[in-house]
Amino acid sequence: AQSVAQPEDQVNVAEGNPLTVKCTYSVSGNPYLFWYVQYPNRGLQFLLKYITGDNLVKGSYGFEAEFNKSQTSFHLKKPSALVSDSALYFCAVRDKSNYQLIWGAGTKLIIKP
Amino acid sequence: GAGVSQSPSNKVTEKGKDVELRCDPISGHTALYWYRQSLGQGLEFLIYFQGNSAPDKSGLPSDRFSAERTGGSVSTLTIQRTQQEDSAVYLCASSSPGPRSGNTIYFGEGSWLTVV
Repeated sequence: AQSVAQPEDQVNVAEGNPLTVKCTYSVSGNPYLFWYVQYPNRGLQFLLKYITGDNLVKGSYGFEAEFNKSQTSFHLKKPSALVSDSALYFCAVRDKSNYQLIWGAGTKLIIKP
Repeated sequence: GAGVSQSPSNKVTEKGKDVELRCDPISGHTALYWYRQSLGQGLEFLIYFQGNSAPDKSGLPSDRFSAERTGGSVSTLTIQRTQQEDSAVYLCASSSPGPRSGNTIYFGEGSWLTVV
């Protein structure tokens, strides 16, 4: 069955330190991969996506993600965390033959001053 | 419009009443999704519209839930005889041009439903 795993319910990082939010997937073929962020009481905002090409994708707010086909991972990273990065982060995957996105359960990122 | 617009942003209703939630997608977007999200939880797919094709209703949790999309644009999600377990935020999203692509889906701010 197709699935997306975000193994950490919560990630705690000190401001200024690098952050990583993990995502692994089980989808056939070469999927499209997405990251979204949800701030409290808001809808989801698109951060970045991988379609094809360079495995390192850069997105909004200084975030980037690296597609690793052999490990079927698409971890979200940022070199220096800000308190304002505190939010809920969702990874999503779309099979190229399907319109449905498969969503991870979300990871709560807490950045402490 | 500039983004996906949803209304009402907040709705408090009594158990047993019907509610209608509206979504106005980004102009030109042919694909429209409805999701449900319980407090701080993940996304639950409800229904998908693509152009004039028959919608994918496979995610609707019961026959109290229905949705329509008029003229390929605005969509309305209707919940009849609301129950307390229907309390959640209902998120609408749209994308272009078609279903099998790497195109990004964009979300509205959600309609926060509370059933008392």
